[in-house]
Amino acid sequence: EAQVTQNPRYLITVTGKKLTVTCSQNMNHEYMSWYRQDPGLGLRQIYYSMNVEVTDKGDVPEGYKVSRKEKRNFPLILESPSPNQTSLYFCASSFRTDSYEQYFGPGTRLTVT
Amino acid sequence: AQSVSQHNHHVILSEAASLELGCNYSYGGTVNLFWYVQYPGQHLQLLLKYFSGDPLVKGIKGFEAEFIKSKFSFNLRKPSVQWSDTAEYFCAVNGAASGTYKYIFGTGTRLKVLA
Repeated sequence: EAQVTQNPRYLITVTGKKLTVTCSQNMNHEYMSWYRQDPGLGLRQIYYSMNVEVTDKGDVPEGYKVSRKEKRNFPLILESPSPNQTSLYFCASSFRTDSYEQYFGPGTRLTVT
Repeated sequence: AQSVSQHNHHVILSEAASLELGCNYSYGGTVNLFWYVQYPGQHLQLLLKYFSGDPLVKGIKGFEAEFIKSKFSFNLRKPSVQWSDTAEYFCAVNGAASGTYKYIFGTGTRLKVLA
């Protein structure tokens, strides 16, 4: 089944404790992206990647890191999480053709205390 | 600055009522436009998209949207809503057609359809 998977789905952590949220897609998509969703703010793009070893900042990259060492994986790293990073995170992927319509993962709900 | 504005944050309709959700964007260059939908407890999924050609596009489940370039708008419509259309709807834009690959989403519209 074609899908984007994220792990973990739920995470509660403490301020400053490094964490990684994994994202994997099995559709051979070149483009991958991370978003955070907050009430009243919609989805905001954190980082995106056009292909392996190519990443670019979205609108809200501060406090996050990404890497794209393999085509199928695009992990999101929070080196020192803070409470303002409490949010619902989505990973998405697409082919690099025409419109770049995206396929989304199920989301990861992160709480930083 | 790049932005997407969705005018209605919450909409409540009765079944069979007509729906129109507004979306205006500011991006620069040639754009691709999307409506994504998030049903309760489900992934975000594509409802419809515009990237070229006929500015009136049809999507899944009877939805359609019209791209009006002069108004920078991409409003979503459905002539008769159903209870199962209850969801959150997001308008989005990217500039892939002009070499800009950042995605901008609107803040979303929560639609509740009363049976």
